[in-house]
Amino acid sequence: QVQLQESGPGLVKPSQTLSLTCTVSGGSISTADYYWNWVRQHPEKGLEWIGYIFYSGNTYHNPSLKSRATISIDTSKNQFSLDLTSVTFADTAVYYCTRERILEWSNHFDIWGQGAPVIVSS
Amino acid sequence: IQLTQSPPSLSASIGDRVIITCRASQDISRYLAWYQQKPGKAPEVLIYGASTLQSGVPSRFSGSGSGTDFTLTINSLQPEDFATFYCHQLLGYPYTFGQGTKVEIK
Repeated sequence: QVQLQESGPGLVKPSQTLSLTCTVSGGSISTADYYWNWVRQHPEKGLEWIGYIFYSGNTYHNPSLKSRATISIDTSKNQFSLDLTSVTFADTAVYYCTRERILEWSNHFDIWGQGAPVIVSS
Repeated sequence: IQLTQSPPSLSASIGDRVIITCRASQDISRYLAWYQQKPGKAPEVLIYGASTLQSGVPSRFSGSGSGTDFTLTINSLQPEDFATFYCHQLLGYPYTFGQGTKVEIK
């Protein structure tokens, strides 16, 4: 079955770039049936959608991040990635990669990675 | 699109029926999903399309609604159901989630 696994540094200094990669195993990332998303969760808080990428490279991110987020995809490695620039303490969160199943009448996030905790600290 | 869940938290006993509501700030048709999240774990989808049960999810979970008002119902609450539940709209970008409803043991 398909699994997603986040990887990347757990500690980032303020003003630097947070970089995370999601590796998809058990299935191909190069499919028109899914979008690939990033979601984060601040400590003891709710869920915040960051953005998505399609296998073609089409992408969109949450305007609340003020263009700091870039999502990219490497189909040869079956991975997609998140770069978040100019991080502050407010970017401390658990970051999840998720698969969005595309349906004609309603999409949903059907598979999630286990989550990557990231702390922004000097 | 803002999603407002209620209540923010509730206490219930094993066997109780629990109802959680989610109100959208505009019409989202049936583009709504519900997730369950246990401490230290990733969310898991329970319901999508407002009322379709995800494969493998127990039938005591059900969803209803369309437009702006939605409900998640848990019939006969079980010990493994104590968790936080989120609604999620997938009609328009940016996708948004409700603030969560924490279901605790009474």
